[in-house]
Amino acid sequence: DQQVKQNSPSLSVQEGRISILNCDYTNSMFDYFLWYKKYPAEGPTFLISISSIKDKNEDGRFTVFLNKSAKHLSLHIVPSQPGDSAVYFCAAILTGGGNKLTFGTGTQLKVEL
Amino acid sequence: GAVVSQHPSRVICKSGTSVKIECRSLDFQATTMFWYRQFPKQSLMLMATSNEGSKATYEQGVEKDKFLINHASLTLSTLTVTSAHPEDSSFYICSASLDRGPNQPQHFGDGTRLSIL
Repeated sequence: DQQVKQNSPSLSVQEGRISILNCDYTNSMFDYFLWYKKYPAEGPTFLISISSIKDKNEDGRFTVFLNKSAKHLSLHIVPSQPGDSAVYFCAAILTGGGNKLTFGTGTQLKVEL
Repeated sequence: GAVVSQHPSRVICKSGTSVKIECRSLDFQATTMFWYRQFPKQSLMLMATSNEGSKATYEQGVEKDKFLINHASLTLSTLTVTSAHPEDSSFYICSASLDRGPNQPQHFGDGTRLSIL
């Protein structure tokens, strides 16, 4: 049972444009969400997070939006850069559950020149 | 720089061999570390939570006798895949949180690619 889903396995965007990566979850008890970026042969790197009491969090080029009623979150990257090409994972935490992360399946982002 | 170091990065060995993977927290103490497994084109699946000085907590469906976890110090957790078989071939990755507080981002090692022939 995949509780966190990223329905787009891949996304291709032109340099300078906006990249929008989507994530859906089924467990309404999740109350904290994170985005990680992963390059091949490396571990995931933390990007940005959001608490369920917020609907937006921004950090530089990265903004995460949370729609609790729709159980949906998205990561916006603007402007997209070639170095952003990587696999992006969203993850969810159930506070009080020992900080365990439940990951989505990932979206391969390719930023083209 | 990396805050979590994982070793080795790649292992290729024969069926029946036991393989040990080390996960170290660099410059910080991690009372809790996590071990994940990732199959191709799938998400990272939590295998177990490694607790310093006590037994690991395994997720449902993970064989604790197959995947031995030892967290002997505040900076080192090890995962031993015992009597590995081809179906154990996967990408194994560990993580740790810098802070014991809730909802702290986990920092990941670079993973270990295990290939059992």
